[in-house]
Amino acid sequence: QLQLQESGPGLVKPSETLSLTCTVSGGSISSSSYYWGWIRQPPGKGLEWIGSIYYSGSTYYNPSLKSRVTISVDTSKNQFSLKLSSVTAADTAVYYCDGDSRNWGQGTLVTVSS
Amino acid sequence: NFMLTQPHSVSESPGKTVTISCTGSSGSIASNYVQWYQQRPGSAPTTVIYEDNQRPSGVPDRFSGSIDSSSNSASLTISGLKTEDEADYYCQSYDSSNQRVFGGGTKLTVL
Repeated sequence: QLQLQESGPGLVKPSETLSLTCTVSGGSISSSSYYWGWIRQPPGKGLEWIGSIYYSGSTYYNPSLKSRVTISVDTSKNQFSLKLSSVTAADTAVYYCDGDSRNWGQGTLVTVSS
Repeated sequence: NFMLTQPHSVSESPGKTVTISCTGSSGSIASNYVQWYQQRPGSAPTTVIYEDNQRPSGVPDRFSGSIDSSSNSASLTISGLKTEDEADYYCQSYDSSNQRVFGGGTKLTVL
């Protein structure tokens, strides 16, 4: 059973870049899933897809965030990462990583505030 | 833009059966897989149904998923309701550009 764990700063200043990492254990990131994704949930609201990276290297991003998002994979560390630039208070949310829509991380709260 | 619409809330008594719908705004919902996620208060989502009707290991067979092409909708059915099933449920599918789309979520109350 794959396990996913998000990590990164819990507080980011406005206009800066939010950077999170998802560490995969219990299997190789190169072969355990067809795709890896990032999802977020603002306080009291529903789930919002941020983007996904497929085993082929192809990436797909939410059009509303596309200009600010980069998702990448580091196979040597069995990790994949999220970068979201030029953040504002509207980016405050719990950020989740997942694999193949079946395995989820526990989530990490990121607050955007000065 | 492709959207998935869910009822805001549903309620049912323990032991009964409840069905949560998820309706696609355009195209054919049967063209792409639908997933269902359960989110208990204060917890991360977990997958209860993937690829329309498949259950991950550990999910009881009280949970089932189906597709109805005539109404362009997917459904999650939970039978033999337990108080522990009380949670928010989200459906998710894909649009024509392979982008994931989530429904707005349904709050299930078991009373």
